[in-house]
Amino acid sequence: NAGVTQTPKFQVLKTGQSMTLQCAQDMNHNSMYWYRQDPGMGLRLIYYSASEGTTDKGEVPNGYNVSRLNKREFSLRLESAAPSQTSVYFCASLFGTDNQPQHFGDGTRLSIL
Amino acid sequence: RKEVEQDPGPFNVPEGATVAFNCTYSNSASQSFFWYRQDCRKEPKLLMSVYSSGNEDGRFTAQLNRASQYISLLIRDSKLSDSATYLCVVMNQAGTALIFGKGTTLSVSS
Repeated sequence: NAGVTQTPKFQVLKTGQSMTLQCAQDMNHNSMYWYRQDPGMGLRLIYYSASEGTTDKGEVPNGYNVSRLNKREFSLRLESAAPSQTSVYFCASLFGTDNQPQHFGDGTRLSIL
Repeated sequence: RKEVEQDPGPFNVPEGATVAFNCTYSNSASQSFFWYRQDCRKEPKLLMSVYSSGNEDGRFTAQLNRASQYISLLIRDSKLSDSATYLCVVMNQAGTALIFGKGTTLSVSS
């Protein structure tokens, strides 16, 4: 099913390890987003990219870096994973015109021991 | 005040019931509003956009009150398959990102 593809779907890391979560969309959307979702906290925006070549911090950017590699791809990197970063991570994309919905990937379930 | 606030529930209703969810938002300059649905351990999916004039999609009706900065979702004739978490969503002032409420959980029982 086309749309937003995230990899991997599951990952277990040790504290201090690094990893990159990958996201790609094939809908020619301009904007892409990374969220994390924790129980009782709802979806919180980590970083977003309103267009190719730009990135901006969201609500909870600390401990993360992002790269908008091209229009299709937006990656999220954890340089030194911490247990507090255990979460479900969602990538989303948006065309960019008014009143258009976001499309989400299936999510990455990340556990940090 | 949080940007988007919802009653977390849970709402437990029998099949066939009518249930209403409310949501308030803090930024009066917000222009776009949505309701998303999220099933357990799944990604959020758009349920419906919310327009100033109110809009209906089958058993679902969404209303927006800009003066009160209030959004509602009404579900009529609830089905078992309506059990999910409903997320109230508002576009940020810059128009670059969506801000999600924490969600309201609905459980419909037979």
